[in-house]
Amino acid sequence: EDKVVQSPLSLVVHEGDTVTLNCSYEVTNFRSLLWYKQEKKAPTFLFMLTSSGIEKKSGRLSSILDKKELFSILNITATQTGDSAIYLCAVEAMTDKLIFGTGTRLQVFP
Amino acid sequence: GAVVSQHPSWVICKSGTSVKIECRSLDFQATTMFWYRQFPKQSLMLMATSNEGSKATYEQGVEKDKFLINHASLTLSTLTVTSAHPEDSSFYICSARSQGDYQPQHFGDGTRLSIL
Repeated sequence: EDKVVQSPLSLVVHEGDTVTLNCSYEVTNFRSLLWYKQEKKAPTFLFMLTSSGIEKKSGRLSSILDKKELFSILNITATQTGDSAIYLCAVEAMTDKLIFGTGTRLQVFP
Repeated sequence: GAVVSQHPSWVICKSGTSVKIECRSLDFQATTMFWYRQFPKQSLMLMATSNEGSKATYEQGVEKDKFLINHASLTLSTLTVTSAHPEDSSFYICSARSQGDYQPQHFGDGTRLSIL
């Protein structure tokens, strides 16, 4: 059965800290891995990763994929209170289906 | 770019009524749209996948006669919850992606459905 596992489930940090969110997966017919940020409403797209070892970067956020070990990490440096959200990892199979992890709840306090 | 609009954002209705939710891609053509359901403190569960002009493909355990999906154009898909009951109360989210193997799904803001 396809599955995506995220850790930690919850993280509480102070502004300025750096955090690393983990995502491991077992998915048949892997196409890509995606990271989303979910605040009060629906998820907003952050990154799509398809190749191992190539870092994707957007401001203070970066992510990398290891297709051999079947995991990805999402790094957030110099965290701000606006980074507080649930971060979702999802793996897309060749069938177009997205399999989501349960998410990591990040809380950033001033 | 890549904006998906979902309407309504919140619905309260009596048991037995049918509710229609619309999902529109505003600035791109969505060859494929997806409907998800999310329970409190849980992740998104795929209900069905629809391709423009084709019948939707439903996930195991999802009643196709209960959750009617129409994807009549490249920018609009609708989900109709027929004869809704309290157990259908949930957060429903649509997503859309354009054609191509490496196009991400973009999500609407969701619809909170409450059946009394």
